[in-house]
Amino acid sequence: QVQLVESGGGVVQPGRSLRLSCAASGFTFRYFGMHWVRQAPGKGLQWVAVISFDGRKTHYADSVKGRFTISRDNSESTVFLGVNSLRLEDTAVYYCAKGDVAGPLDDWGQGTLVTVSS
Amino acid sequence: QSALTQPASVSGSPGQSITISCTGTSSDVGAYDSVSWHQQHPGKAPKLMIFDVNYRPSGVSTRFSGSKSGNTASLTISGLQAEDEADYYCSSYSRDSTLWVFGGGTKVTVL
Repeated sequence: QVQLVESGGGVVQPGRSLRLSCAASGFTFRYFGMHWVRQAPGKGLQWVAVISFDGRKTHYADSVKGRFTISRDNSESTVFLGVNSLRLEDTAVYYCAKGDVAGPLDDWGQGTLVTVSS
Repeated sequence: QSALTQPASVSGSPGQSITISCTGTSSDVGAYDSVSWHQQHPGKAPKLMIFDVNYRPSGVSTRFSGSKSGNTASLTISGLQAEDEADYYCSSYSRDSTLWVFGGGTKVTVL
């Protein structure tokens, strides 16, 4: 069955950077797009970014454009999210989800928590 | 403020039917048949329950159904059960630069 395992979260100071990873298994990774979605504590879901199956197309939410970078390594079945210039409001659980650019987001990982705090 | 508008809470008794609305615009819900609904239990990852307005993934109960009219989509849960108590989020593909938009979520309580 599909398994998505996020890692790389932690406590980080404002202005610093992190790289989140999502290791995929149970499906042919190179055939599918991948998304990142975040959820601030006690809040709703917010779409962050998507990358096409071949990595050629990427799209970002306006709120993270220019600071976050989505990428993938199909040889390792892993998708990444580089997060730079972190702000307090970036504190959230970050989920990766399987899905093409036009969706749907059909399988989700358990998430990794990023806490931005001084 | 979320891009899609959902009621904050909906409740019902076991066995009843409830409906959750999700209102967007002509740039998202009204533009595409790409509305999805996700269920999220506390501390858990979201789970896809409905995609493309009214399709159920394999394994999802037939008690869950979706529909759309204009800029508003709806999720109906029939024969409400205790296990249905969770948060539900709608989402839609969008013409705007932020490709995917979510609703603020609806807490379903089984009385």
